[in-house]
Amino acid sequence: AQSVTQPDIHITVSEGASLELRCNYSYGATPYLFWYVQSPGQGLQLLLKYFSGDTLVQGIKGFEAEFKRSQSSFNLRKPSVHWSDAAEYFCAVEGGGSSNTGKLIFGQGTTLQVKP
Amino acid sequence: GAVVSQHPSRVICKSGTSVKIECRSLDFQATTMFWYRQFPKQSLMLMATSNEGSKATYEQGVEKDKFLINHASLTLSTLTVTSAHPEDSSFYICSATGQGDSPLHFGNGTRLTVT
Repeated sequence: AQSVTQPDIHITVSEGASLELRCNYSYGATPYLFWYVQSPGQGLQLLLKYFSGDTLVQGIKGFEAEFKRSQSSFNLRKPSVHWSDAAEYFCAVEGGGSSNTGKLIFGQGTTLQVKP
Repeated sequence: GAVVSQHPSRVICKSGTSVKIECRSLDFQATTMFWYRQFPKQSLMLMATSNEGSKATYEQGVEKDKFLINHASLTLSTLTVTSAHPEDSSFYICSATGQGDSPLHFGNGTRLTVT
């Protein structure tokens, strides 16, 4: 069965510092992978996604993620964090046995706190 | 761009009553909609997949008779929480996608509090 693991429940970084949020997945075939951000009490905003091709994916708000098949990872990075980046981040994989079904399996989420 | 509207954003109801949550696709035809539930500080758990004009497919452990899903048109799906209990209090989020390689769009969620 497909699964997604985000090892870090909570991360605190200083504003301006670099950020890496970890995500590991378990999926039998080539996965479709996503990173979403959620502000308190809000829905989800898509940061970026990987379907195929270049393993380094650029997203919105200066985020990027790298797909590493050998490590079953899709870590999210940002070179310089801004205070407005404080939120909950979810990694997700497309499940359901076929591509682009829209049926996502989410990781547990990582709460990002940004120190001034 | 495409938007999914979820209504209401917050609702408080009494135990034993039913509450309906609407999920609308505003500028695209949503052939498939998904309903998720999110407990505080936790991840989103898929409850059911709803295809327009057919019965919803529920995930294991989700009570079909308690969480009624209707997807009667290409722009609207509803989730009705029947005979609500305090443990049903949660954040409910819908998502919608069209045919083929259409992107997936999320609603802003509904905070349900059952007193």
